[in-house]
Amino acid sequence: AQSVTQLGSHVSVSEGALVLLRCNYSSSVPPYLFWYVQYPNQGLQLLLKYTTGATLVKGINGFEAEFKKSETSFHLTKPSAHMSDAAEYFCAVSEMDRDDKIIFGKGTRLHILP
Amino acid sequence: NAGVMQNPRHLVRRRGQEARLRCSPMKGHSHVYWYRQLPEEGLKFMVYLQKENIIDESGMPKERFSAEFPKEGPSILRIQQVVRGDSAAYFCASSGPLAGKDFGPGTRLLVL
Repeated sequence: AQSVTQLGSHVSVSEGALVLLRCNYSSSVPPYLFWYVQYPNQGLQLLLKYTTGATLVKGINGFEAEFKKSETSFHLTKPSAHMSDAAEYFCAVSEMDRDDKIIFGKGTRLHILP
Repeated sequence: NAGVMQNPRHLVRRRGQEARLRCSPMKGHSHVYWYRQLPEEGLKFMVYLQKENIIDESGMPKERFSAEFPKEGPSILRIQQVVRGDSAAYFCASSGPLAGKDFGPGTRLLVL
């Protein structure tokens, strides 16, 4: 069975500050890992995903995430927050070659302070 | 290339009525997935369909919920005799043979 835990349902950072959204996963098989962003009243947009290979994954809008197998983590970071980054972010996991059934975390709402 | 389309975007029903949610996948995509997002929760998988076939419905409630993806036309998620607990956002996603999932904007169902 797989699961995802996102630490902090709400995170606030100042504009220009580092963004760090935490995600830990549990999986008995090699995972695929994803970060999605959801803007108000919109669907989910894929930010980035890890499948195999390089553990540091770069996504859209300046976000990146690092897969750390020893820590079972896939934290999302961005060096400098922008007001437009305010949204809800979901970490997700699936089995390798089985991205038909993605398991989502409960989400972290990111607030950007002026 | 239009993305995944869902309609209606908002749907209000009274208890006991039926709700029909439609999803048109991206052009060229033949796999459709439905997810439900309850307030303050992440998305939870409901069902995975290909044209005229249900591949995995392990996330569907046993009663009142059904889904189809006919040969022609959109995928339909049908909820019979809705109850207040069915109020949620329902998202559809589609994928093709190579690409990852693309999500639609969702249908927000409110049961009064």
